[in-house]
Amino acid sequence: QVQLQESGPGLVKPSQTLSLTCSVSGGSISGGSFYCSWIRQPAGKGLEWIGRVDATGRTNYNPSLESRVTISVDTSKNELSLRLSSVTAADTAVYYCARGGVWGPDAFDIWGQGTEVTVSS
Amino acid sequence: DIQVTQSPSSLSASVGARVTITCRASQTLSRYLNWYQQKPGKAPKLLIYAASSLQSGVPSRFSGGGSGTEYILTISGLQPEDFATYYCQQTYIAPPTFGQGTRVEIK
Repeated sequence: QVQLQESGPGLVKPSQTLSLTCSVSGGSISGGSFYCSWIRQPAGKGLEWIGRVDATGRTNYNPSLESRVTISVDTSKNELSLRLSSVTAADTAVYYCARGGVWGPDAFDIWGQGTEVTVSS
Repeated sequence: DIQVTQSPSSLSASVGARVTITCRASQTLSRYLNWYQQKPGKAPKLLIYAASSLQSGVPSRFSGGGSGTEYILTISGLQPEDFATYYCQQTYIAPPTFGQGTRVEIK
């Protein structure tokens, strides 16, 4: 069974770059159709889609974040990464990676447990 | 972006009750509508995809329906483990967007 696990610093200073990794186990990123998205959720609030990458490295981003976001995939390590630049307190949230693809690239059937990121000096 | 609005924002119901949550979109979604359940401190869980298809392993008391701009999630016979927040999500037009959530509480 495919599992996802997010990792990265829990505290990032304002104006710096947030960097997270999502490790995929139980299946290969490069096998078949693979899509993985990053989604975030501020405490007590709703879900916001950040962007998506497929096994070829093709990406799609939320226009609201596109100027600051980079998502990439490393098939040799079976992981994907998220970089969000010029962060502010508004970027404080739980960040999830989630797999799409079986029922559509954005129907997320497997999620990581999430990693909490706080932006503060 | 397509706006999706859920109603109600919260509800209280008793175990065994029938619960319906509505998701309305600013334009037609052509059934590209998914439903998720989220419990506190946990990641969301896919319940329903393509408006009415039950995700594997999800109890049959959950059902989805609707078309066009209006979609409904129904829980027939609420169980203690169903108390959670539910989100709809449209994937018809990028970027995919979520409703604001409906919190289902114990009455």
